[in-house]
Amino acid sequence: KAGVTQTPRYLIKTRGQQVTLSCSPISGHRSVSWYQQTPGQGLQFLFEYFSETQRNKGNFPGRFSGRQFSNSRSEMNVSTLELGDSALYLCASSLGGQGSNQPQHFGDGTRLSIL
Amino acid sequence: GNSVTQMEGPVTLSEEAFLTINCTYTATGYPSLFWYVQYPGEGLQLLLKATKADDKGSNKGFEATYRKETTSFHLEKGSVQVSDSAVYFCALSPLDDYKLSFGAGTTVTVRA
Repeated sequence: KAGVTQTPRYLIKTRGQQVTLSCSPISGHRSVSWYQQTPGQGLQFLFEYFSETQRNKGNFPGRFSGRQFSNSRSEMNVSTLELGDSALYLCASSLGGQGSNQPQHFGDGTRLSIL
Repeated sequence: GNSVTQMEGPVTLSEEAFLTINCTYTATGYPSLFWYVQYPGEGLQLLLKATKADDKGSNKGFEATYRKETTSFHLEKGSVQVSDSAVYFCALSPLDDYKLSFGAGTTVTVRA
């Protein structure tokens, strides 16, 4: 069974640009979550989608947005990039139904570097 | 709010030594608890989980018991190998909250 696939693996952008990251969940998983990992702040939750609806959102500015498609694939967009956005962005998927707490399975991440 | 506190390390051990990484949490209700491991250049892998008080999660020789009375979920392994060198994260997720709250991570290095 294929795992969570994130593309691209590496990205280099400059300040002010925007970027879109992609995540394909494990087949059958309907929940996709995004996390930012930095040495200073650790792992921080960005948002979670289930059946194309955002169910939870972390404390990030509006420059960070996401969406989920009908096939459960998800994209994350960051506009007006800042140096502090340099991080490893991790996507995770799970079955996600209500009333359960299925573990999340992570991809290998997209390493975003802002110059 | 929900939070996880774990010993930050780094922890350096010799092969076959005993490993303990302490993890305590603050949460409302009865969250599920997890340990994840991250190897260099990779994402997080689920190591083990526990969903209710007194549950013991175990995998690959690692164990952790959900202790509600002490709000703890300490990770243990009786005999570590060089291949266990990684960063270990304790995490919690309240039911129907749809997000993980992570500890800061503990870097473990095992020497041959």
